[in-house]
Amino acid sequence: NAGVTQTPKFQVLKTGQSMTLQCAQDMNHEYMSWYRQDPGMGLRLIHYSVGAGITDQGEVPNGYNVSRSTTEDFPLRLLSAAPSQTSVYFCASSYSYGEAFFGQGTRLTVV
Amino acid sequence: SQQGEEDPQALSIQEGENATMNCSYKTSINNLQWYRQNSGRGLVHLILIRSNEREKHSGRLRVTLDTSKKSSSLLITASRAADTASYFCATVSGNTPLVFGKGTRLSVIA
Repeated sequence: NAGVTQTPKFQVLKTGQSMTLQCAQDMNHEYMSWYRQDPGMGLRLIHYSVGAGITDQGEVPNGYNVSRSTTEDFPLRLLSAAPSQTSVYFCASSYSYGEAFFGQGTRLTVV
Repeated sequence: SQQGEEDPQALSIQEGENATMNCSYKTSINNLQWYRQNSGRGLVHLILIRSNEREKHSGRLRVTLDTSKKSSSLLITASRAADTASYFCATVSGNTPLVFGKGTRLSVIA
């Protein structure tokens, strides 16, 4: 069972570059979310989706875009990377708002 | 803004002792969940308690929920070195996804 798969695991970007963090799940979950984790801040919600074609903003959406064209995939796009986006990013999926399954994270550094 | 607030921020105990972590939250909830994170890895779900439940057990874990005080506690009995991790509470309110607290860092010393 793959569960939630995030790629890449590590990434270094230059300020102003764009990139897409990939997230895929094989559990047929309708609900998917992106979080960022910074030291001492816990996890903060960036964007979430309750099904294909439906997305919404979380607590810290600025600088990020998402789309949900399939149930399985929920990519997170950084439009123009900034040093403030240096963080660890986690994707999660769940059946409704029950137990969430998390990917192993993407560690992003913006220089 | 973050909903849950764990207390203490850090806890260090000897192997075999019990560990208690507390979580306070601000608004009414549908359910409250506890997660464990080992050293920067992904979070793992431990237990979910619904707003109409007061206590739940899973193995060495005991969770209580007091909706009148908007608080929850996680008790880990007979702690082991392998329990060393960060523990987060997360709440679900209305139609929004999990909102996490900042976590408690637990160190279990062998």
